[in-house]
Amino acid sequence: AQSVTQPDIHITVSEGASLELRCNYSYGATPYLFWYVQSPGQGLQLLLKYFSGDTLVQGIKGFEAEFKRSQSSFNLRKPSVHWSDAAEYFCAVGPGNFGNEKLTFGTGTRLTIIP
Amino acid sequence: GAVVSQHPSWVICKSGTSVKIECRSLDFQATTMFWYRQFPKQSLMLMATSNEGSKATYEQGVEKDKFLINHASLTLSTLTVTSAHPEDSSFYICSARDGRASEQYFGPGTRLTVT
Repeated sequence: AQSVTQPDIHITVSEGASLELRCNYSYGATPYLFWYVQSPGQGLQLLLKYFSGDTLVQGIKGFEAEFKRSQSSFNLRKPSVHWSDAAEYFCAVGPGNFGNEKLTFGTGTRLTIIP
Repeated sequence: GAVVSQHPSWVICKSGTSVKIECRSLDFQATTMFWYRQFPKQSLMLMATSNEGSKATYEQGVEKDKFLINHASLTLSTLTVTSAHPEDSSFYICSARDGRASEQYFGPGTRLTVT
């Protein structure tokens, strides 16, 4: 069964500092990997996704993530955070095929930005 | 881009009544729609998967008679919470998938409060 682990429940970062949110997955084959962001009381917005190819994926809002198969990780990074980045971030994994695939979400990491 | 809407965004109902939540894909045909439930400060838990014109597939532990899902058209799926109880209070999020795409597009969510 597929699973996702986000080890950090809450991270606090100063505005302008760099950010890395960790995500580890478990899946038997090549997975589809996603990072979503959720602002309070809102739905999910896709930041980026990895299906295949270049293991460094660029997303929206200046985010990037690197797929490391050997470590089963897909960590999200941003070189300089902005106060508007404060939100909940979810990593998700899905099977690498087209169809009615189910996404499995991690428990999320809450990001707080301090001035 | 692909847009998914939900209606209502917020609903309060009395215990014992039923409430219907709509999920619409506005600019694409959603062959598959997913319904998630999110408790405060927790991750999304998949409740069920629905395909247009067929019965929904419920995840283990989800009462299909309590959470009625109908996917009558390629742009609309509904979730009806029957005989609602306070423990059904939650944030319900739908997502929709275009059969040609490999990602899900999420709605903004519906907050249900049962008094």
